Amino acid sequence: GDSVTQMEGPVTLSEEAFLTINCTYTATGYPSLFWYVQYPGEGLQLLLKATKADDKGSNKGFEATYRKETTSFHLEKGSVQVSDSAVYFCALTSGSRLTFGEGTQLTVNP
Amino acid sequence: NAGVTQTPKFQVLKTGQSMTLQCAQDMNHEYMSWYRQDPGMGLRLIHYSVGAGITDQGEVPNGYNVSRSTTEDFPLRLLSAAPSQTSVYFCASRQAGDAIQHFGDGTRLSIL
Repeated sequence: GDSVTQMEGPVTLSEEAFLTINCTYTATGYPSLFWYVQYPGEGLQLLLKATKADDKGSNKGFEATYRKETTSFHLEKGSVQVSDSAVYFCALTSGSRLTFGEGTQLTVNP
Repeated sequence: NAGVTQTPKFQVLKTGQSMTLQCAQDMNHEYMSWYRQDPGMGLRLIHYSVGAGITDQGEVPNGYNVSRSTTEDFPLRLLSAAPSQTSVYFCASRQAGDAIQHFGDGTRLSIL
């Protein structure tokens, strides 16, 4: 079945550091890929998405590129802020189901 | 625009008690889903529905029942709560043909 694997966390960075959170997937067909973010005490919000190979999703300074050859969708941001502290989930959808990775806790210190 | 509304936000139960977690959406979305979130395990799909009167099992359905009598509502029932069901529960909805899911703020459930 479909699966998503994220890099193990938690991740702690200083403000303005570069962020990479790795995500790889296994799926049949051509899934759509997503990054969701969960701020403390809240539900999940869509951060960005990509629906086909080589698409780049971007939002709020975050980017991720759909790499079919490496089955990856790594999340990057050039300069993180304290307000980016949250849990980040990589996910894919194939058909009617959404499959999530384990989540990566990011803490950004001032 | 309320989006997806879950009630209650917090609940404590004793083992063996029953309860219903409520979920309502006002976006006329066909698809609705229930997930549970546990540390280190991401979100796992419990049950989902592709329209009123239609439900199906997800990854971890045991111990939970659902029904979908209207487009707006998708309640999740625990018939006999167990400590293993202590978790944070999220309801989500989406439009058919749109892969983006909209989540509620969650229900934090503790079973003693």
